Amino acid sequence: GQNIDQPTEMTATEGAIVQINCTYQTSGFNGLFWYQQHAGEAPTFLSYNVLDGLEEKGRFSSFLSRSKGYSYLLLKELQMKDSASYLCAVREVFGNEKLTFGTGTRLTIIP
Amino acid sequence: DTAVSQTPKYLVTQMGNDKSIKCEQNLGHDTMYWYKQDSKKFLKIMFSYNNKELIINETVPNRFSPKSPDKAHLNLHINSLELGDSAVYFCASSQRLAGGNEQFFGPGTRLTVL
Repeated sequence: GQNIDQPTEMTATEGAIVQINCTYQTSGFNGLFWYQQHAGEAPTFLSYNVLDGLEEKGRFSSFLSRSKGYSYLLLKELQMKDSASYLCAVREVFGNEKLTFGTGTRLTIIP
Repeated sequence: DTAVSQTPKYLVTQMGNDKSIKCEQNLGHDTMYWYKQDSKKFLKIMFSYNNKELIINETVPNRFSPKSPDKAHLNLHINSLELGDSAVYFCASSQRLAGGNEQFFGPGTRLTVL
């Protein structure tokens, strides 16, 4: 079966750094994705990792360790607008296009 | 300019009714999806079409029937609506076999069954 775990809620302070973890156990692996979803809105793509290591995109970075079934999303210089849910998703088979999502982490930024 | 659009945005209906949700994308993608997001915000895939061919069909009651008249449109018809169908339904699209498979989501349709 598939199991993708993330913390349910996190709180962080404006200007600080926060790391959101995701662990997965799936029958196959061909990529891990992070999406951001503001309340009442659609998910939007943040990052994609298929090889081990760190991918950096401005204030956001995502890390993957395939041997550990582990990823994290790192958000730096937090802004109030970063308050949102962050969804981790795994693609098990290339070409299948099916993404299995975790339950999401609701991040609240406080002043 | 909207990349993925859905109609209607809100749908309130009685149990037992039949309703449809429409989705269109103007990104030139060849793959479209329907997701259901429940009250706990869990996002789960229901169906996916690639060039009008069904490629993903998750365990969904057969009251739900997707239809793809062309690769830019994917509609969802729901028969005999039940209370448990209340959720937000998202349409998405992507280009198959493109490494990152970034999926673009529509704004969602909030379905409330009374």
